Amino acid sequence: NAGVMQNPRHLVRRRGQEARLRCSPMKGHSHVYWYRQLPEEGLKFMVYLQKENIIDESGMPKERFSAEFPKEGPSILRIQQVVRGDSAAYFCASLLRDSPTSGANVLTFGAGSRLTVL
Amino acid sequence: AQSVTQLDSQVPVFEEAPVELRCNYSSSVSVYLFWYVQYPNQGLQLLLKYLSGSTLVKGINGFEAEFNKSQTSFHLRKPSVHISDTAEYFCAVSPPSSGGYQKVTFGTGTKLQVIP
Repeated sequence: NAGVMQNPRHLVRRRGQEARLRCSPMKGHSHVYWYRQLPEEGLKFMVYLQKENIIDESGMPKERFSAEFPKEGPSILRIQQVVRGDSAAYFCASLLRDSPTSGANVLTFGAGSRLTVL
Repeated sequence: AQSVTQLDSQVPVFEEAPVELRCNYSSSVSVYLFWYVQYPNQGLQLLLKYLSGSTLVKGINGFEAEFNKSQTSFHLRKPSVHISDTAEYFCAVSPPSSGGYQKVTFGTGTKLQVIP
């Protein structure tokens, strides 16, 4: 998990409030993945962003969820008007080159942000 | 499209016994395969990976996995488990990358409970 920083680690919100989760990728990286982990459902891909661009948001719910990765600062995953079903762990990841010769990349995760909606 | 199936949601095993965690995948192209481990309230940590070459892959903490293309499987094994191996294990698959965007698909996880 070294290098990918997420905060807050734990966040409690009441229904209808907004949740903002932040992710700073590994130093020198300009891409981030967001995954959501619901109980008993494993990790579900949400969105992949480059600086100032959304590359793939095929896993994002159509409403209330948005993500950005501004030129300066961390990536933000924003959930508006939270509901109890949004309670989950949200993970951010950087893609790290496996080796100079393999051409393969490996996801490196942050410790996650655990959202609880009351 | 690619998918991963981990049929066992929970696997209890006694300490020092061997364990196998099953993973099957589906993909129309060649794949990279991964196993990650998640300890309570932590992020995911890479255990091992198969990219190409030898089908038997060794990882950290004494784990190994074997890629079987004909059975589309990538089962994780350890000959003797320790209490500290209690965690959730995720199998994952991705298409080979070209250095750019690479979509990784995860299974639903298997909780390994090591019993003293």
